[in-house]
Amino acid sequence: SQKIEQNSEALNIQEGKTATLTCNYTNYSPAYLQWYRQDPGRGPVFLLLIRENEKEKRKERLKVTFDTTLKQSLFHITASQPADSATYLCAPTNQAGTALIFGKGTTLSVSS
Amino acid sequence: DAGITQSPRHKVTETGTPVTLRCHQTENHRYMYWYRQDPGHGLRLIHYSYGVKDTDKGEVSDGYSVSRSKTEDFLLTLESATSSQTSVYFCAISEARAGTGGWEQYFGPGTRLTVT
Repeated sequence: SQKIEQNSEALNIQEGKTATLTCNYTNYSPAYLQWYRQDPGRGPVFLLLIRENEKEKRKERLKVTFDTTLKQSLFHITASQPADSATYLCAPTNQAGTALIFGKGTTLSVSS
Repeated sequence: DAGITQSPRHKVTETGTPVTLRCHQTENHRYMYWYRQDPGHGLRLIHYSYGVKDTDKGEVSDGYSVSRSKTEDFLLTLESATSSQTSVYFCAISEARAGTGGWEQYFGPGTRLTVT
């Protein structure tokens, strides 16, 4: 069966450092991979989408990589801030967009 | 949460009673989804809809039914609620964008359901 693993349930870093979150998937060949942010008591918020033929995508302080050989995506937040503290979810997605499987998330805490 | 509302936001019900949750969107998106989120399991897809009257099952559909009679509304029904259905339920919408094929989803604020 399809399996999504986000390494580390929790990640604690200091303000100004780069946070790197990992998403690994098995038994799945997604056409896209999405990253979401979720704050306590709220629904997930879309951050970035990367396609299978893209190696890297950037948006402001965020960078996502997608390695279909390793079946892995890395999510980086540079110059992290306490406001970046949240749970981050990865979601590999099929071509039709009808099978979007979410990982359990990594909770990032940025301390000042 | 803009453009997506869920009602009720909180509900406590007894085992065996029927429950209907409503998702309403003002974005005219074609696709709508119902998820449940539980500690240790993350977000799991219950059902989704790809148009009016067009629905399909997700990963955890047993015990749930859905209906979509209008583009803007997607209803989730628990015919006979059980304690295992205590959860936070999220509705989401998406639309493929021409030229990009993106499938990003936009989530509602969630409904916290407790079955006693």
